[in-house]
Amino acid sequence: GAVVSQHPSWVICKSGTSVKIECRSLDFQATTMFWYRQFPKQSLMLMATSNEGSKATYEQGVEKDKFLINHASLTLSTLTVTSAHPEDSSFYICSARSPGDGYTFGSGTRLTVV
Amino acid sequence: KQEVTQIPAALSVPEGENLVLNCSFTDSAIYNLQWFRQDPGKGLTSLLLIQSSQREQTSGRLNASLDKSSGRSTLYIAASQPGDSATYLCAVKEDSNYQLIWGAGTKLIIKP
Repeated sequence: GAVVSQHPSWVICKSGTSVKIECRSLDFQATTMFWYRQFPKQSLMLMATSNEGSKATYEQGVEKDKFLINHASLTLSTLTVTSAHPEDSSFYICSARSPGDGYTFGSGTRLTVV
Repeated sequence: KQEVTQIPAALSVPEGENLVLNCSFTDSAIYNLQWFRQDPGKGLTSLLLIQSSQREQTSGRLNASLDKSSGRSTLYIAASQPGDSATYLCAVKEDSNYQLIWGAGTKLIIKP
């Protein structure tokens, strides 16, 4: 079946540094990928829609200069959290539209900013 | 604007019981509905996908139903096991090109 690989699984970084999260579709091409964020005890919130070869579409309230998304190939999308702060600590999950009209999710990245 | 609601927010039942999780949505014009499972600190696992033209889908001990006219979907879990403990999320897609709209989830605890 369709597999999406996301890494790292967890990362701890110092405040002010940048962190890159990768999301790869392993056995299918993903023209569209989605990035979600989940705070503790809350539901997933869509941050942005990543389209291969074009600029990402950000949801209202999401800072595009802070959360840089690059979708340079049909199998790779990256999310870079720039100048991270403790309030950016969260669980980030990517997903891709998979064959069969469903969605396949990465395993998630737990980001802790100290 | 589409809104997805899941009730209850949390549920605790003894092992072996059959149970039903509920998902409701405000706009019946959906493309499909999907149920997911999320284990603590982990990603999501897709459980069942129901297209708008379908009324139910089954996978093992899981059965999901869809009633578009009433804006409801249920996830039925038969003979619950401790390993079923997780948060269950439903999500609606309104159009083939739209992103998912999520419910807040139901945290399920199965007591041995």
